[in-house]
This record gives sequence, C-alpha cells and structure tokens, in this order.
Amino acid sequence: GENVEQHPSTLSVQEGDSAVIKCTYSDSASNYFPWYKQELGKRPQLIIDIRSNVGEKKDQRIAVTLNKTAKHFSLHITETQPEDSAVYFCAASIRVNNNDMRFGAGTRLTVKP
Amino acid sequence: GAVVSQHPSWVICKSGTSVKIECRSLDFQATTMFWYRQFPKQSLMLMATSNEGSKATYEQGVEKDKFLINHASLTLSTLTVTSAHPEDSSFYICSARMAGYEQYFGPGTRLTVT
Repeated sequence: GENVEQHPSTLSVQEGDSAVIKCTYSDSASNYFPWYKQELGKRPQLIIDIRSNVGEKKDQRIAVTLNKTAKHFSLHITETQPEDSAVYFCAASIRVNNNDMRFGAGTRLTVKP
Repeated sequence: GAVVSQHPSWVICKSGTSVKIECRSLDFQATTMFWYRQFPKQSLMLMATSNEGSKATYEQGVEKDKFLINHASLTLSTLTVTSAHPEDSSFYICSARMAGYEQYFGPGTRLTVT
C-alpha cells in the first residue's frame, strides 16, 4: 500500500521567514496530494491540494510543488506569521476516488514573533 | 463550505462499556465517510472507510468486531467502540466526502476509558 513520509517532524522559523515541508510517497498511482493544517485540539483543515496533472499550485502565501518522477511534493509557506504555527500533514491518495488516503506523520511548525 | 459535525465532542466511559460516536455531514450528502484515530502528537491513522448502505472497509489491524461502523444514510455514520479498554482512549476523527477529491473533517471526539 501507499506509504507517505514527511520531513521535518518539527520546524521553527522566525516570523517573516519561509518554511518548507517535504513529503515523499511510494505508490506511483497516487494522483491527489492535499495538505492539512491542524491546530491544537481542532480538526484538520485543508489548506491547499494538488493533483498529479499539475506541477505547482499557489494560493497567496502558500504553494505546493509536485515532482511525479521523484514522487515527492512540498509545501512552501512564505512570509510566515505566528498564526501559521500548527501541525501540518501531507497526504496522498492511492486511487482516483480518494478512498485510500494516507497521511504523513506531521510537521509541527512554530513561527517565532 | 461543507460542514461535518461529531457528537459527542468528548466522552469518558468505564472499561467494558460501549460508546457510540456520531458523524454527520450537515449541508451535503456524503458518498463516503472515513474514521481516523489520532494519538497525542501523532498523525491520523485511517481505521475504516464506509459507503452509504454497504459494509465498512477496515484497515489492516483494525478489529471490525470491536469498532462497529454503520453508515445508514448519506449524512450519518456511527462508530461504536465495544467493550472499551483504556488502550482505546484516543482522539477519533471522522471525515466525509462528496463527489470529488476533498475530504471534510469533523471536530473529533476525545474518548477516555477509565
């Protein structure tokens, strides 16, 4: 089955700096890659996603890149703010119908003011 | 946006009893619902996938007789933890998906078994 690895497990940056979180996946059939942000005690919230027919997607300060050949995708947050502090999860789904989504282990991002 | 609710938000039960958790999609019909378990500071682990009107598909290592899942309608799925033990204490999160890719998560249920 699909295996998703995520690095780093913790990341601390100064406010205003950029943060990059990387994930790799094992199954070349995966075609949907969402990123979720989870604040303490709250539900995961989708912040951005990318499908396998696209190499990059951007939404304001957040961008995701996908390298299908290397089977890795990354989340980029620019101009970080303290409210960006949370745990971020990447995920990959094996099948088109998204019934087998697998999550990475998570990255705890801390943005220091 | 799509809203998913869970009830209860937290529950404490005694060892040996059963607990039912409800997951509802409030403003859309969910063709598929998912149940996850999350330990403190850990990732989301998929327990099972359920489609309305059919039996749930359980992930390897998840006991189907212990974690009973019912998906009776397009807006409601339930997870029943039977004969709960302290090691079942965890944060249980459901998610729901309509046609397309995106999953919407519920707020989670914190279960503590004493």
